[in-house]
Amino acid sequence: NAGVTQTPKFQVLKTGQSMTLQCAQDMNHNSMYWYRQDPGMGLRLIYYSASEGTTDKGEVPNGYNVSRLNKREFSLRLESAAPSQTSVYFCASRTQPGQGGEKLFFGSGTQLSVL
Amino acid sequence: DAKTTQPPSMDCAEGRAANLPCNHSTISGNEYVYWYRQIHSQGPQYIIHGLKNNETNEMASLIITEDRKSSTLILPHATLRDTAVYYCIVIKAAGNKLTFGGGTRVLVKP
Repeated sequence: NAGVTQTPKFQVLKTGQSMTLQCAQDMNHNSMYWYRQDPGMGLRLIYYSASEGTTDKGEVPNGYNVSRLNKREFSLRLESAAPSQTSVYFCASRTQPGQGGEKLFFGSGTQLSVL
Repeated sequence: DAKTTQPPSMDCAEGRAANLPCNHSTISGNEYVYWYRQIHSQGPQYIIHGLKNNETNEMASLIITEDRKSSTLILPHATLRDTAVYYCIVIKAAGNKLTFGGGTRVLVKP
């Protein structure tokens, strides 16, 4: 039981390049999330998916797209990376309602630098 | 979901209790109070949650005021490994848009 797995752990991009951050969970959770965290700051919600086949914008969705490929996987895509997207990206999944509390489980993060 | 307000930072002596306040004055009846912590650059980790009763687990205690407008996370015997950023968030039951504030940066000193 690996929990939430993110790949890659580190990535350096040039401005204008594209890439996809991968996230997978093996806990059979319906809801999944993508957050970004800039140095010394709190977490900001980019996109979330309440269930397979649905996605919704969070606080800072501009410049990103997401795909909920199936129940396990939720990917985040940067179509044309910008230096302002340099950040640490965290994926999370959430336990189902009614299971003693709806807890978030986070991956270990992807450190992205855009030059 | 209701917004929360936390002090940006606080220090605590090793071995002493750490009391972390959180204000959530706009909380509604079906919203829970959750606490998470983030150690260094790791992903945040769940600590505890509650609706209106005080709660305790192996990590911490959560005290929620009777009017539910504020809460306090208590780390009973802080250790150096408790140095982290602590986030208080309010979540609607079965709500989906989960946002975090800036949290409280706690430094436990020897």
